[in-house]
Amino acid sequence: AQKITQTQPGMFVQEKEAVTLDCTYDTSDQSYGLFWYKQPSSGEMIFLIYQGSYDEQNATEGRYSLNFQKARKSANLVISASQLGDSAMYFCAMREGTSGGSNYKLTFGKGTLLTVNP
Amino acid sequence: KAGVTQTPRYLIKTRGQQVTLSCSPISGHRSVSWYQQTPGQGLQFLFEYFSETQRNKGNFPGRFSGRQFSNSRSEMNVSTLELGDSALYLCASSLGQVVDTQYFGPGTRLTVL
Repeated sequence: AQKITQTQPGMFVQEKEAVTLDCTYDTSDQSYGLFWYKQPSSGEMIFLIYQGSYDEQNATEGRYSLNFQKARKSANLVISASQLGDSAMYFCAMREGTSGGSNYKLTFGKGTLLTVNP
Repeated sequence: KAGVTQTPRYLIKTRGQQVTLSCSPISGHRSVSWYQQTPGQGLQFLFEYFSETQRNKGNFPGRFSGRQFSNSRSEMNVSTLELGDSALYLCASSLGQVVDTQYFGPGTRLTVL
């Protein structure tokens, strides 16, 4: 079974509108971390936002917020006021066993290609 | 503060050759991880080094190896290249704790002919 599922291969949004990119995850660990990265066509992965499994508040970073629903195992990324420069691939990733663990790898989803239209 | 740097940015090799990729982490970061990105398999974890020791390893054949130097710079080596090794190889650095965020470099795009 896939540990990270991103069901939207592609999304379109009008400039200045908000958009939600979906991410569901599968883990039996109680302690884990969820990340979102942006990958423009240049290839570099840019860190956007992080949510720990024990964080009670949803994470926010500027125009990015993470809608974390632990019981549903979902961690959707919300981008408010989309800009043309937001057009890119977006990846959801998870690191399991973050409490006293020794797992340093990130497991990534397949990504969602976001296109912002003027 | 300078970001993660990777060299070379582009590389073309032929089957059977070997290749070495280099990664310099963000200053102060002691952990370096390597990932392979292909259209078919997506992003896959190769290995992670901290203080010159490999702590985690992904499911890749022994042709893929790495090392880390005392200044935290890391190299990845692929021997006996196959066509399927064509990929974007991404390096990420972090402070080294399991909860720390990994920051990625621009990647090395390897083409095997």
